[in-house]
Amino acid sequence: DIQMTQSPSSLSAFVGDRVTITCRASQSVNSYLNWYQLKPGKAPKLLIYGASSLYSGVPSRFSGSGSGTDFTLTISSLQPEDFATYYCQQSYTTPYSFGQGTKLEIK
Amino acid sequence: QVQLQESGPGLVEPSETLSLTCTVSGGSISSYYWSWIRQSPGKGLEWIGYVYYSGSTNYNPSLKSRVTISVDTSKNQFSLNLSSVTAADTAVYYCARRGYSGYYFEYWGQGALVTVSS
Repeated sequence: DIQMTQSPSSLSAFVGDRVTITCRASQSVNSYLNWYQLKPGKAPKLLIYGASSLYSGVPSRFSGSGSGTDFTLTISSLQPEDFATYYCQQSYTTPYSFGQGTKLEIK
Repeated sequence: QVQLQESGPGLVEPSETLSLTCTVSGGSISSYYWSWIRQSPGKGLEWIGYVYYSGSTNYNPSLKSRVTISVDTSKNQFSLNLSSVTAADTAVYYCARRGYSGYYFEYWGQGALVTVSS
């Protein structure tokens, strides 16, 4: 099975800050890497698919990069609604697997 | 707009079978892959498995011996059965649809909390 490791596990930042979350796969997943935003009581949202493609309706302040084993999610200017938990997920092979999550909190 | 809604008992006794249904609205269940994903308290997300609208399935080996996922195209629903549950199966269970041409979870339900306890 492919293990996904995210860092940091938690992050405090101000509105307006630029933040980067990293995700590392235990073996190459090519570009089959997706990012999701989770908020309590709400349906999770797809942000980025295929490592760098912005999903429809997602603000352009979100961006993704990387290939192979190392990936990043960047939020260029944090907005109040962005404080949530973010997960990466590999879809290269089953069993699909997720990172452990990065909780983004307001400083 | 496609919407997914999980339903089922919120409390299941140890050793019993957990059963959840996901109802799809705003679109057909046909031609897509449908997954169950769970999040245990304080832990990350775990993919349980998927069913194709034709009925073919793929399960996470870590749960394969206890999982059955099925589809009912006439009702636009798919279901999860997880047998012999323990407290470790307490989680929020999500249903989700894979993208038509992409390997990502495009639509999700809001999640259903299932507690395993006597």
